Amino acid sequence: EAEVAQSPRYKITEKSQAVAFWCDPISGHATLYWYRQILGQGPELLVQFQDESVVDDSQLPKDRFSAERLKGVDSTLKIQPAELGDSAMYLCASSFTAGRRNEQFFGPGTRLTVL
Amino acid sequence: GENVEQHPSTLSVQEGDSAVIKCTYSDSASNYFPWYKQELGKRPQLIIDIRSNVGEKKDQRIAVTLNKTAKHFSLHITETQPEDSAVYFCAASKGMTGNQFYFGTGTSLTVIP
Repeated sequence: EAEVAQSPRYKITEKSQAVAFWCDPISGHATLYWYRQILGQGPELLVQFQDESVVDDSQLPKDRFSAERLKGVDSTLKIQPAELGDSAMYLCASSFTAGRRNEQFFGPGTRLTVL
Repeated sequence: GENVEQHPSTLSVQEGDSAVIKCTYSDSASNYFPWYKQELGKRPQLIIDIRSNVGEKKDQRIAVTLNKTAKHFSLHITETQPEDSAVYFCAASKGMTGNQFYFGTGTSLTVIP
């Protein structure tokens, strides 16, 4: 069964450093989501792509976070510079194209620790 | 925007008992309500979902009920087993593919053998 892939699974960095996370959605899924999940809370959307275009990035702290999906397939989320409060799980999800069931399939996540 | 509240935050039940988790939502335009199970260190996985044209849906030991008027929906797990122990998240969406999911804060369920 196809799954969403993410790397790395774990990342430890010092504050003010740059970090990058990678996501490869399920083949054929046009919509890709990046979520941040703080321990004890539900996932919160950071950015949503439809193919290569950003559909919603209203919750993305644009002064330090950036995301791209250049060819409409895999995606990268970057944080520069990282801050202590960025420590969280970063989840990527993807869903079918229009007209199909609205299920989102999640990747295993990247757990970021900022020291 | 949508606001989803989930209760309780933690729940402990004896094996074989039932567990109920409740969520409320604020946006009457929301019409798709999935439930995800997240085991420790693993990805969230969809366990059941319901659309607003249906009041109840059941899949073996899991059922979800929806009250559109009151804007609340609930997850029911019967005959609980230790492997049901996990964090459960509800979500609400406007249902069209690509629409944002608004997640609840999660319920940590522990099934005591």
